[in-house]
Amino acid sequence: AQSVTQLGSHVSVSEGALVLLRCNYSSSVPPYLFWYVQYPNQGLQLLLKYTSAATLVKGINGFEAEFKKSETSFHLTKPSAHMSDAAEYFCAVSEFGGYNKLIFGAGTRLAVHP
Amino acid sequence: GAGVSQTPSNKVTEKGKYVELRCDPISGHTALYWYRQSLGQGPEFLIYFQGTGAADDSGLPNDRFFAVRPEGSVSTLKIQRTERGDSAVYLCASSPGQGIDTQYFGPGTRLTVL
Repeated sequence: AQSVTQLGSHVSVSEGALVLLRCNYSSSVPPYLFWYVQYPNQGLQLLLKYTSAATLVKGINGFEAEFKKSETSFHLTKPSAHMSDAAEYFCAVSEFGGYNKLIFGAGTRLAVHP
Repeated sequence: GAGVSQTPSNKVTEKGKYVELRCDPISGHTALYWYRQSLGQGPEFLIYFQGTGAADDSGLPNDRFFAVRPEGSVSTLKIQRTERGDSAVYLCASSPGQGIDTQYFGPGTRLTVL
């Protein structure tokens, strides 16, 4: 069965600094991978997804993630953090069987300070 | 256009009571998912509907949980004889169809069982 591990439940960066949120997955088949963001009192919003095309995936709000099969990783990065990036981020793998059943990691809360 | 809506936004009930949580998906979306998010955890899959039928209910924790989608649009998650351990945020998501479609999440219903 697929699983997802997010290293670091809390990450704090300065405004303008690099954002790196780590995600490792376990899957017996080629995975489909996702990053979602959750702002307070809002629903989960898709940032980006990997579906076996290009290994470097660009998403919304300047985020990108790179699929590395050898490391079973799908880390999320952004070159320069904004205050508005403060939120909780979830990595997910699809247990795909004709439909998109998502297995989520525990999440990483990103804080951005001035 | 309107996104996924869930009602109520908050529900407080007493142990042993019955509750119903409602999800209105995006119009035209045939796929509907329910997830449960406990405090400090990522969402966990509960059930998937394609149209009116529950195609995968493997995530429902026990027979106190049941969900319906009688007309292929609105879905109701029903919990009988609630327990304190059922306290969580219940999330609903919809997507256009089968496959690796993006899931659009509602804001969730926060259920508290006293």
